[in-house]
This record gives sequence, structure tokens and C-alpha cells, in this order.
Amino acid sequence: LAKTTQPISMDSYEGQEVNITCSHNNIATNDYITWYQQFPSQGPRFIIQGYKTKVTNEVASLFIPADRKSSTLSLPRVSLSDTAVYYCLVGGDGGSQGNLIFGKGTKLSVKP
Amino acid sequence: DTGVSQDPRHKITKRGQNVTFRCDPISEHNRLYWYRQTLGQGPEFLTYFQNEAQLEKSRLLSDRFSAERPKGSFSTLEIQRTEQGDSAMYLCASTRGGGGGWNEQFFGPGTRLTVL
Repeated sequence: LAKTTQPISMDSYEGQEVNITCSHNNIATNDYITWYQQFPSQGPRFIIQGYKTKVTNEVASLFIPADRKSSTLSLPRVSLSDTAVYYCLVGGDGGSQGNLIFGKGTKLSVKP
Repeated sequence: DTGVSQDPRHKITKRGQNVTFRCDPISEHNRLYWYRQTLGQGPEFLTYFQNEAQLEKSRLLSDRFSAERPKGSFSTLEIQRTEQGDSAMYLCASTRGGGGGWNEQFFGPGTRLTVL
């Protein structure tokens, strides 16, 4: 499974757009890019997943360039409740066990 | 609420005691995972089941740890002769495994273990 690198922490203010970039230089052809969110004392929660180009859902967008060596999670107009740790993961199921490899994540602090 | 429940939510024990945690996954999910998370770190994979079969164990899972999923539904994780280093959050996740892509894992709220 490919290793990922993301900033340890980020600060933002309410109403701003937040972009968290993750590097995954060794991504494999069949790997997907997935982001999870975790609040204190809770389990991680799936946010978004993509393979290439752009994916958008009701909470976030995921931008993946053509070489797929990085990806950017975009959170539009963050609120205080978006303060959490965000994990970027790379891997594929493809019949394997599918266990997730988490790094340390990016701790996002949203201020009023 | 993801639909995955864990019990208990908190457990305080003394070193050397045995503890057992339970996870109830989403009913139609055939894969169940256990992870351990310490402060400031992301979750680390411990083991996973496909139905009742335990298919993978991390080297983090010492001989003092054992997990079961007897009927392919709920799972238990037992730690024998607990050590202070076992203090962590133990997370359970489930998913409908197989197929293409990478299936979303649904995590429970975790069991926080404190070993005194």
C-alpha cells in the first residue's frame, strides 16, 4: 500500500474554504484515494473516495491530477464543527484484505 | 451513528487482568476489522474477518490478543494479562467486502481501554 504524506495541522476560520493536500508518489495503478474524518473519541468516518480527476459529494470535493501522485481534499465554507483530524489513505481492495493504513492525519482547527 | 456498535465504551482495568470487548457490525456486512489507536496516531490495523474466518492478523497482535467472530456476526477481542502499553482506543469497523473498488469501512465509536 502506498505511503501518504500530509500536513500535520492546519488552521482556518469559519466560512473559508480549506484545501488539504496529500502526497502519494508510489500510488499503484489499482489504488483508490480515500479520505476519512475523525472527531475526538469517535471512530473515523468516510468522507470521499476517488480514482482520478474530480469527485464531489455533499460534504467535500476531491481533486486528483492526471499523474495521481497527489490529491487535494477541499472543504467548502468550513464551520466550527469541521474541526477534526483528516486522514488520506491510498489502496485498493481487489480481493485483498482491504485493511486501511492510516498515517497521523491532518488536524484541522476551525476558529470563529 | 454508523450502525456499528461497541461495548463497553470505556474500560479501566489493572495490569495483569483480562478484558474482552464486543463489536456488533452492520448486519449485512461480511467483513469485520479491529484497529487500535493511541493518542496522536492514526488507527493501526490488528486483524480482520470475512464472515467467521479470521483471514489476517497484524504482527501488532501479540499472543495475548485473540479475536473471534463465531457466527459471522458479532466479534469479540480479548486481551489477556493486560499491560500498560495496551492502553488505547480499540476500534471496530465493518464493510461489505469484495467487488471492485475499495469499499467504505464503517467504524464504531470505539472502546477506550485504560490499564493502571
